[in-house]
Amino acid sequence: EEQLVESGGDLVQPGGALRLSCTGSGFTFSAYWMHWVRQGPGKGLVWVSRIKHHERDATYADSVKGRFTTSRDNAKNTLYLQMDNLRVEDTAIYYCARYWSGALDLWGQGATVTVSS
Amino acid sequence: QSALTQPPSASGSPGQSVTISCSGTSSDVGAYKYVSWYLHHPGKAPKVILYEVTKRPSGVPDRFSGSKSGNTASLTVSGLQAEDEGDYYCTSYAGDANLLFGGGTKLTVL
Repeated sequence: EEQLVESGGDLVQPGGALRLSCTGSGFTFSAYWMHWVRQGPGKGLVWVSRIKHHERDATYADSVKGRFTTSRDNAKNTLYLQMDNLRVEDTAIYYCARYWSGALDLWGQGATVTVSS
Repeated sequence: QSALTQPPSASGSPGQSVTISCSGTSSDVGAYKYVSWYLHHPGKAPKVILYEVTKRPSGVPDRFSGSKSGNTASLTVSGLQAEDEGDYYCTSYAGDANLLFGGGTKLTVL
């Protein structure tokens, strides 16, 4: 069964840092581009970042650029989202998703990040 | 990176049809064939129901159909059923594998 499992969600203070992980199984992880998407409380889904096959080729939404870093370790079938200088408005459920033919065809169950003092 | 525009809500009775629009620009929806639609139930992972404007993944009923005209894409749900209720989102390719999401439409089956 193809699956994505996120981990690392937590409560963190403003200005703090957190790293989310997303591990894939049941498919060739390295063959796919991967995305991060988030949903704030009472809000819609918002695209955060994407990374191509290789770990250094990532792009970001303007709202997180310079604070978040997406990377991947294909040997471990794992995607990462390093979140630094967190703000209250970064509070959200963060989903990783697999990208294929212009769509996100496989999603994780989500990791909850709460930024609060 | 402006979001695509969707109506905040839509509704219909069981058996009826409902159409949800997704408006973008000539740089996203109007430029590419890569428009997709997702159904999201809070607390669960979103599920893709249409990709490349009109294509349905395996397991998605043919009651779901899509179209695009100019800078606006549409999702039509025919023969509404109770389980179709939820939040629907459109996305469009926006260059370099980046995606734009719509604001979401809450579909209520009356």
